[in-house]
Amino acid sequence: AQSVTQPDIHITVSEGASLELRCNYSYGATPYLFWYVQSPGQGLQLLLKYFSGDTLVQGIKGFEAEFKRSQSSFNLRKPSVHWSDAAEYFCAVKVTGGGNKLTFGTGTQLKVEL
Amino acid sequence: DAGVIQSPRHEVTEMGQEVTLRCKPISGHDYLFWYRQTMMRGLELLIYFNNNVPIDDSGMPEDRFSAKMPNASFSTLKIQPSEPRDSAVYFCASSPTGPRDEQYFGPGTRLTVT
Repeated sequence: AQSVTQPDIHITVSEGASLELRCNYSYGATPYLFWYVQSPGQGLQLLLKYFSGDTLVQGIKGFEAEFKRSQSSFNLRKPSVHWSDAAEYFCAVKVTGGGNKLTFGTGTQLKVEL
Repeated sequence: DAGVIQSPRHEVTEMGQEVTLRCKPISGHDYLFWYRQTMMRGLELLIYFNNNVPIDDSGMPEDRFSAKMPNASFSTLKIQPSEPRDSAVYFCASSPTGPRDEQYFGPGTRLTVT
């Protein structure tokens, strides 16, 4: 069965610093990959997704992610973090023939220091 | 579009009572998902529907939980009888049919069972 690993439970960065959140997946073929963000008390909002083509995808709020097949990774990046980016970030995968289900990672809680 | 609508947003009930959570998916979406989120277990898929038909309920924790989707615009998740360990945030999400389509999440219902 497919799985998603987000190795960092908590990350703290200073405002203005760069950010990289890690995501690794386990699946035989290339799945569809997603990053969601959850602000406190809110539902999950899609940041970006990848299914084919250019391995660097752009998303909302200045986020981008790079798919690396050789490393089975889909890391999320932002060049300069804003205090409003403090939230929990979830990586998710969807496999073909899986009935449109998403398998989520355990999430990474981002704290931004002013 | 109003997005996925969930009600109530907050529910406090006593152990043993019946609880019903409601969801209105985005019009035209063929899939509907119910999730539960807790600190201990993260985000768990409970059940999902395709065209109003339950496809996979393997995530439903026990017989006290049941879900229905009588039509394309309404779904319920019922817990009877409720227990303190059911306290969590319950999310509903919907998505179109395509494998590249993301899930759209509602704001969630925070359930507290005392």
